[in-house]
Amino acid sequence: DAGVIQSPRHEVTEMGQEVTLRCKPISGHNSLFWYRQTMMRGLELLIYFNNNVPIDDSGMPEDRFSAKMPNASFSTLKIQPSEPRDSAVYFCASSIRTVQETQYFGPGTRLLVL
Amino acid sequence: ELKVEQNPLFLSMQEGKNYTIYCNYSTTSDRLYWYRQDPGKSLESLFVLLSNGAVKQEGRLMASLDTKARLSTLHITAAVHDLSATYFCAVGDTGNQFYFGTGTSLTVIP
Repeated sequence: DAGVIQSPRHEVTEMGQEVTLRCKPISGHNSLFWYRQTMMRGLELLIYFNNNVPIDDSGMPEDRFSAKMPNASFSTLKIQPSEPRDSAVYFCASSIRTVQETQYFGPGTRLLVL
Repeated sequence: ELKVEQNPLFLSMQEGKNYTIYCNYSTTSDRLYWYRQDPGKSLESLFVLLSNGAVKQEGRLMASLDTKARLSTLHITAAVHDLSATYFCAVGDTGNQFYFGTGTSLTVIP
């Protein structure tokens, strides 16, 4: 299996621009997670999908952030407009069934907002 | 909000020595996970501990869980340089949230 796939791996953008991060979970996994990792705040769960439905988005920092999962093999995390404080590594992870199982992480997207 | 605390945050140890990383969490949970992250890399699952008293071992790493004390330990035996990484514990609450600890950055010195 190819594991969780994320794109792009690196993104540099200017403040105010729209950023879209993409994720393909492991085939057969029913849950998908978006995390953000920074030095200051560590690893934070942003949103959790189960069977393509958002279950908990309480970690999404503000309205500038949105996430979708149109089908079982694809999810996006969008930031519009982006701000310098959004600079972080964004990880996507998937698990077989629920949040209470081992999560398998993608390689991450390193985002720098100038 | 569930809180997950690890200590120490930074650990520098000599090869061949033993040490323990501690993970405390603030609310009831019967599952605890340990992950490893190499610098600039993603997270890799190490252990899943599913019940009170659970112990798992892989090579020089051994993890245990005491749900009554809300404490997990990751014990390192005879450390080698390849174990240098950041180690995270993680806990899910009774709802849909999943919390990672602060991480312990381990450096093994020859």
